[in-house]
Amino acid sequence: QKEVEQNSGPLSVPEGAIASLNCTYSDRVSQSFFWYRQYSGKSPELIMSIYSNGDKEDGRFTAQLNKASQYVSLLIRDSQPSDSATYLCAVYAGGTSYGKLTFGQGTILTVHP
Amino acid sequence: GAVVSQHPSWVICKSGTSVKIECRSLDFQATTMFWYRQFPKQSLMLMATSNEGSKATYEQGVEKDKFLINHASLTLSTLTVTSAHPEDSSFYICSARLAGDDTQYFGPGTRLTVL
Repeated sequence: QKEVEQNSGPLSVPEGAIASLNCTYSDRVSQSFFWYRQYSGKSPELIMSIYSNGDKEDGRFTAQLNKASQYVSLLIRDSQPSDSATYLCAVYAGGTSYGKLTFGQGTILTVHP
Repeated sequence: GAVVSQHPSWVICKSGTSVKIECRSLDFQATTMFWYRQFPKQSLMLMATSNEGSKATYEQGVEKDKFLINHASLTLSTLTVTSAHPEDSSFYICSARLAGDDTQYFGPGTRLTVL
């Protein structure tokens, strides 16, 4: 069983719509959660981190965390074609994991004009 | 802040040669650096975790004698692919982590092609 699972893609939304990306994790002691964006042929870049239950907003991006449900999501408002990329959910379990992040398989998002 | 660089950005080499890739944290001290490999249309695969001044910890299935990692300072880690073969052709990405911070900041990656 995968430790971090993301909603299967690809996800296609029209420009201006809200894109919703979901992620579940299996390790209940996980303490830090990250969303990265990866454009084709490029390395991942950090979009947001979230550590506490609830919502965290940064511009058009909102991360939501529910530790009881072991669920983290990313909402992209007013989606733009430039948001088209693969979005990676990453989880840090702490403890003896020595800083390792566990990544989901990624969700490919396409925003069409 | 939190900028990570990699050099070279791409390299082409002949089969049997060795290639060294550098990863530097430019504006912070990285207690831990990570090396990933990514094949086309696949997920990131962690190869090893590197702590400054100590031996790297390799993930299962990664040959430590083939992928030599050195983390001699708090701002530099190197990955050497020894006796490279065409199947080693891939996108190699490093990341760095500050002490006390769980966030990993990624370098731009190095595309290796072995002929």
